[in-house]
Amino acid sequence: GAVVSQHPSRVICKSGTSVKIECRSLDFQATTMFWYRQFPKQSLMLMATSNEGSKATYEQGVEKDKFLINHASLTLSTLTVTSAHPEDSSFYICSFGDSMSNEQFFGPGTRLTVL
Amino acid sequence: AQSVTQPDIHITVSEGASLELRCNYSYGATPYLFWYVQSPGQGLQLLLKYFSGDTLVQGIKGFEAEFKRSQSSFNLRKPSVHWSDAAEYFCAVGPNSGYSTLTFGKGTMLLVSP
Repeated sequence: GAVVSQHPSRVICKSGTSVKIECRSLDFQATTMFWYRQFPKQSLMLMATSNEGSKATYEQGVEKDKFLINHASLTLSTLTVTSAHPEDSSFYICSFGDSMSNEQFFGPGTRLTVL
Repeated sequence: AQSVTQPDIHITVSEGASLELRCNYSYGATPYLFWYVQSPGQGLQLLLKYFSGDTLVQGIKGFEAEFKRSQSSFNLRKPSVHWSDAAEYFCAVGPNSGYSTLTFGKGTMLLVSP
């Protein structure tokens, strides 16, 4: 399967600051990407779906102005958590969608802690 | 709306013993079904998937799963568990047209005792 990287793997920030998380596919190009959030001991919850060159589609309850997604290219997507608060502390995971295999290839995740 | 139920939050299995992790789904049509494994602090790795055809699918690391339409189940099995199998396992369901939104179960944590 495709190799997907996320940077940073861990980040600690102060409340009110913004944090950018990068998701890169190292050997695969995808027009569609997904961002998930995972709270401790819980499952993955889809936050948004983004297609390269167009605006992201956010799931109900996810604030688009708070979680900014930029699908810059077929191999890069970024998630910016703006004005972060402690309740935004979570594990954020990205994935690239493969239309040929109907699979998603997941990144290793980013642990965000907001103090 | 689709949903996935993994009724067991934790399961402890002795090394060398067999394993079965349960997964039930609710979906309006025939779905695509997946099992993923997640080690602590890591992303998800695909173990196996079912799209169509043979209802018994083989995956990596010696895992297999059986799709039972009548029971809306897709249970994961392994005949002999290794200590390295200790991880969290997620069952997921998606539409059988494209690779769009996956719905995940809440996961089952597998603990392996010596």
